[in-house]
Amino acid sequence: AQKITQTQPGMFVQEKEAVTLDCTYDTSDQSYGLFWYKQPSSGEMIFLIYQGSYDEQNATEGRYSLNFQKARKSANLVISASQLGDSAMYFCAMRGATAGGYQKVTFGTGTKLQVIP
Amino acid sequence: EPEVTQTPSHQVTQMGQEVILRCVPISNHLYFYWYRQILGQKVEFLVSFYNNEISEKSEIFDDQFSVERPDGSNFTLKIRSTKLEDSAMYFCASSGASGGPHNEQFFGPGTRLTVL
Repeated sequence: AQKITQTQPGMFVQEKEAVTLDCTYDTSDQSYGLFWYKQPSSGEMIFLIYQGSYDEQNATEGRYSLNFQKARKSANLVISASQLGDSAMYFCAMRGATAGGYQKVTFGTGTKLQVIP
Repeated sequence: EPEVTQTPSHQVTQMGQEVILRCVPISNHLYFYWYRQILGQKVEFLVSFYNNEISEKSEIFDDQFSVERPDGSNFTLKIRSTKLEDSAMYFCASSGASGGPHNEQFFGPGTRLTVL
């Protein structure tokens, strides 16, 4: 079974500062993908960044980077230079590799980030 | 940029009524999914669909639920007899040709279902 743990229900960050959102995971799969999604107050789910289990380099997408520590089973999201528009709920998620290749995404409970002007 | 669309954005229904939530996945995607998010809670997987059949489903997806791809573009979730606890945001998602763990799923904007 797969499990995602996000231990920070809420975070505050000053505008223009960097913030790290924690995520740990548990899986017995050798091949898996880790994802971060952003959910603004409007409700939609916006894909931010992906990290593959065999990727040696940490993923980066603009101001988002994923601090992937495989041995610790952690996949923290780092947002640099926070903006007011970054205020949202952030979900860490993963997909494993079950037989057939049709894998569900397992989500964490989310971290609500609020950016302070 | 191609996107997943869902209709309606908000559906209100009476307990015991049937509802159909509609989704148009990204056109060249082959894997389709439904998730739900009860207000204030995490997103939960319901079902995945490939090659016109269910490939995986969760324990939430009981006999009250069904999915269908009635034509080449739509993907629907039917709830036969809604219960109060079915009130949630329902997300449709799709992913590309390989469907493997290293392909992100693209989510639609969601349908908020309210059961009275």
